[in-house]
Amino acid sequence: GIQVEQSPPDLILQEGANSTLRCNFSDSVNNLQWFHQNPWGQLINLFYIPSGTKQNGRLSATTVATERYSLLYISSSQTTDSGVYFCAGAGGTSYGKLTFGQGTILTVHP
Amino acid sequence: DTGVSQDPRHKITKRGQNVTFRCDPISEHNRLYWYRQTLGQGPEFLTYFQNEAQLEKSRLLSDRFSAERPKGSFSTLEIQRTEQGDSAMYLCASSFLGEQYFGPGTRLTVT
Repeated sequence: GIQVEQSPPDLILQEGANSTLRCNFSDSVNNLQWFHQNPWGQLINLFYIPSGTKQNGRLSATTVATERYSLLYISSSQTTDSGVYFCAGAGGTSYGKLTFGQGTILTVHP
Repeated sequence: DTGVSQDPRHKITKRGQNVTFRCDPISEHNRLYWYRQTLGQGPEFLTYFQNEAQLEKSRLLSDRFSAERPKGSFSTLEIQRTEQGDSAMYLCASSFLGEQYFGPGTRLTVT
């Protein structure tokens, strides 16, 4: 199966700062999702982005499928952005099962 | 659309007991997945259903684990003779095409 590597593992920001999270894949994927896991463990869908660029408010994501990576941008960070961010991908013959990265722990200080 | 629901949200059990979890997917979603997440790790795939057919099982799913999805609607995950290593968050997800939506999870603690 595919391997997913996320960086950085930890990120500490002051409120208002911008950040970029990266996700690298060992093989091509036909499903790529970014999630935010809240303190109660719920995975919140941020983006479904097998390729291209999408934006949702202060968040945006870009996937370069040919180079097997995806980026999540957070602008003007807020304390409520704190938590764990996961990317996950699924390859062509995997029935859509997602392989997750280890996550990036984001802490935003006021 | 009410989202994916899971029951119970928390379960504490003694080693050796059997437990069963339930997942209700988003209606009309034909695909249903179970994942397990331990502390500090990303979720790991356990098994996958398309309608009522179980099409793939991870090697993580020992013979103490069994999952069903009768009639292609809700699904159950049963763990027999629980062990302390089974303590984890069990997550269910459903999809119609590509994007998966996750439930709130069942947190299992085996004492």
